[in-house]
Amino acid sequence: NAGVTQTPKFRVLKTGQSMTLLCAQDMNHEYMYWYRQDPGMGLRLIHYSVGEGTTAKGEVPDGYNVSRLKKQNFLLGLESAAPSQTSVYFCASSYDLAGGSQYFGPGTRLTVT
Amino acid sequence: QQQVKQSPQSLIVQKGGISIINCAYENTAFDYFPWYQQFPGKGPALLIAIRPDVSEKKEGRFTISFNKSAKQFSLHIMDSQPGDSATYFCAASIPSKRNYGQNFVFGPGTRLSVLP
Repeated sequence: NAGVTQTPKFRVLKTGQSMTLLCAQDMNHEYMYWYRQDPGMGLRLIHYSVGEGTTAKGEVPDGYNVSRLKKQNFLLGLESAAPSQTSVYFCASSYDLAGGSQYFGPGTRLTVT
Repeated sequence: QQQVKQSPQSLIVQKGGISIINCAYENTAFDYFPWYQQFPGKGPALLIAIRPDVSEKKEGRFTISFNKSAKQFSLHIMDSQPGDSATYFCAASIPSKRNYGQNFVFGPGTRLSVLP
């Protein structure tokens, strides 16, 4: 039981490049989330999903897209990276909305130059 | 944007002391208040959580105190240990599918250092 895994762990992009971050969970959770974490700002929700095939915007969705084609996977895409997207990205999953715990992955550190 | 305020930003405590972190919220519709613990290089992990129908919840050395009328809640770590050194986040949420994205907010975090 690996829990929540994220790939890659580190990535450096140049402005304008694109990339996809992969999140996978093996707990059969319905709900999945993408957050970004910046110093002094806690975690901010980018997008989330309440089930396979569904996604919704969070607090800071601009510049990101997501897809949930399979229940266990949640992909976060950056179509044209900007320096403001330099951050640590965390994926999480849960079996219900906030009533239970969110299980977080180890994070992806992204630097956009 | 709804906010959860958290203080202090950083905290240094001697081993065996009590660590206290405070949070305050504005939206009275919040009804779930978790605390997360994050070690460097790791993702946050749920530590303890409370709902507003109780004023206190204790799990081992960790206690949440909740003051509904003041819209405040706090984390107390008794007999603090060097292994407790981490960043702690409070959060507040409304577990509803509708507008969920705006209804789960984290505080900015408190970096706790427990000296040996």
